[in-house]
Amino acid sequence: QAVVTQEPSLTVSPGGTVTLTCGSSTGAVTSGHYPHWFQQKPGQVPRTLIYDTNNKHSWTPARFSGSLLGGKAALTLSGAQPEDEADYYCLLFYGGAYVFGTGTKVTVL
Amino acid sequence: EVQLVESGGGLVQPGGSLRLSCAASGLAVNYNNMIWVRQAPGKGLEWVSAMTRDGDTRYVDSVKGRFTISRDNSKNTLSLQMNNLRPEDSAIYHCASVYGGSYWGQGTLVTVSS
Repeated sequence: QAVVTQEPSLTVSPGGTVTLTCGSSTGAVTSGHYPHWFQQKPGQVPRTLIYDTNNKHSWTPARFSGSLLGGKAALTLSGAQPEDEADYYCLLFYGGAYVFGTGTKVTVL
Repeated sequence: EVQLVESGGGLVQPGGSLRLSCAASGLAVNYNNMIWVRQAPGKGLEWVSAMTRDGDTRYVDSVKGRFTISRDNSKNTLSLQMNNLRPEDSAIYHCASVYGGSYWGQGTLVTVSS
């Protein structure tokens, strides 16, 4: 099964911008992988931010956006807030099976 | 409003069995791709099993031959039958939908220990 890789940790200043990426060991990530992005804060259930590459739920803050960038799925946070400090996971679809990324811990500092 | 509610977790000895259920409201399990996800304490998210809208089933290698995913369309529930459980299966298990949006249940705790 594929390995999906994310940056282990990233730090962003309040109000700053950071981009998280999600790469696949099988090659370029495409829209056919239906990339999802989830946010998880300590002790909480993961919450979906982005589905199918760039679609947002009604609860997704406007400062989050999804895209494909350089062969990877990407989650961009523009205008970081202290409450955005959390773990972020991507999920990719492989023809019926799924694989989560290794997760990125985002610190707002 | 979409709700997914898991049940069936608990403490079981190694080699034992559990059946997890996920009761859905606000979405139809047979019109969505549904997955089971687990998270061991202090660890990341791990995809465990999926059932697509077409009824195709898939499993992570570590549970193949031991876990079986199924759905009951009349009850709008998703299930995960877990046999021959191992200590490394201990985790919180969530069901989630991943089709045209993504919703998660709160999870149910499975502990495999003697």
